[in-house]
Amino acid sequence: QSVLTQPPSVSGAPGQRVTISCTGSSSNIGADNDVHWYQQLPGTAPKLLIFRNTNRPSGVPDRFSGSKSGTSASLVIAGLQAEDEANYYCQSYDYSLSGFWVFGGGTKLTVL
Amino acid sequence: QLQLQESGPGLVKPSETLSLRCTVSGASISDSNFYWGWIRQPPGKGLEWIGSVSHSGSTFYNPSLKSRVAISVDTSKNQFSLRLNSLTAADTAVYYCSRLPVDVITNDFFDFWGQGTLVTVSS
Repeated sequence: QSVLTQPPSVSGAPGQRVTISCTGSSSNIGADNDVHWYQQLPGTAPKLLIFRNTNRPSGVPDRFSGSKSGTSASLVIAGLQAEDEANYYCQSYDYSLSGFWVFGGGTKLTVL
Repeated sequence: QLQLQESGPGLVKPSETLSLRCTVSGASISDSNFYWGWIRQPPGKGLEWIGSVSHSGSTFYNPSLKSRVAISVDTSKNQFSLRLNSLTAADTAVYYCSRLPVDVITNDFFDFWGQGTLVTVSS
């Protein structure tokens, strides 16, 4: 059971917009800790997609955006493309015994 | 160009100790602006942070693994290492090494990752 809760799967057609949620608690996201997002393409290592809630590393298209509010965060992917099909993970910092750096369980994005 | 490369055995017996090494190229492991970390991913499952180490050797471990794990740095070789003992089948996973830019610890993230190495625990 992950400390950060994500939907197991989401899907959308090419060109559509999808949102992936990441729900935490007062010991992590709600404690004003930043949320970061990673994309893991099949058979590859995770890649940083969004850092510190809303920032994109160099090279990440602006179709990807992040936000945070209260105890939750969201990743929005606009103008879906076939190559966006991947697993997406959120990550934050948790003050409880669950550990320091924690990940969500991951969301599988299927492009229909 | 920063690169991280994991190395170590692909098969380890139950109850034994796993030793993995991460070789860093394109950056100095002595740079105080970064921590270095290990993350694992069981087959078909999600990511689990194992632990992190600073350039000076200060360590942070996942409480669920703390009694079995040790991470160290070797600045002379620009490497950091993971040791995990008392292995069981549940430790079978792809193990990734990574870099964390240091800011406020609650805001840290993993900006570069190695390609990962599959470790299978089986007799």
